[in-house]
Amino acid sequence: ELKVEQNPLFLSMQEGKNYTIYCNYSTTSDRLYWYRQDPGKSLESLFVLLSNGAVKQEGRLMASLDTKARLSTLHITAAVHDLSATYFCAVGGTASKLTFGTGTRLQVTL
Amino acid sequence: GAGVSQSPSNKVTEKGKDVELRCDPISGHTALYWYRQSLGQGLEFLIYFQGNSAPDKSGLPSDRFSAERTGGSVSTLTIQRTQQEDSAVYLCASSPHPSYEQYFGPGTRLTVT
Repeated sequence: ELKVEQNPLFLSMQEGKNYTIYCNYSTTSDRLYWYRQDPGKSLESLFVLLSNGAVKQEGRLMASLDTKARLSTLHITAAVHDLSATYFCAVGGTASKLTFGTGTRLQVTL
Repeated sequence: GAGVSQSPSNKVTEKGKDVELRCDPISGHTALYWYRQSLGQGLEFLIYFQGNSAPDKSGLPSDRFSAERTGGSVSTLTIQRTQQEDSAVYLCASSPHPSYEQYFGPGTRLTVT
């Protein structure tokens, strides 16, 4: 059974600081997704990582995938308040269904 | 273009009643998924439809849950004899291909009293 662990669960950081969210998964997969969820809203796709060593960047967010280590990271550079949200990683398994991590609630303080 | 739409946005029902939740996927998307998000269980896969293939029902929590997809487009998730533990946000997603990213709808918040 595929298990996805995400940490930290909660992250409070000051504007301008850098931090990394980690996503570990238990079985082989070459499809890793990152989503953002604002309170009361649905999931917004951020990144799709489909191969070992894949790195994608959008603004202050950068995601990477190491399939050998079964690890993906979401790096936040110089955080701003607008990045406050819950971030989920999700791993593609059999039949393309996604197994989600627990989510990381990010709070960026002024 | 139009995204995934779901209706109703909120549904309050009494324990024991049946409910139907609707999902309209993005036009042309062959893959359609249902997930459930609750405080205790996080985000869980429920069921997956791909084209005309038999659906993957492996995530349905009990036989009170069923879903169908008519004409390869609209899908309905039905919960019979609702229980309080069914209270959650039910999310629908669609994808142009099973390996591509999934686009999520706004969800239906179900409250069973």
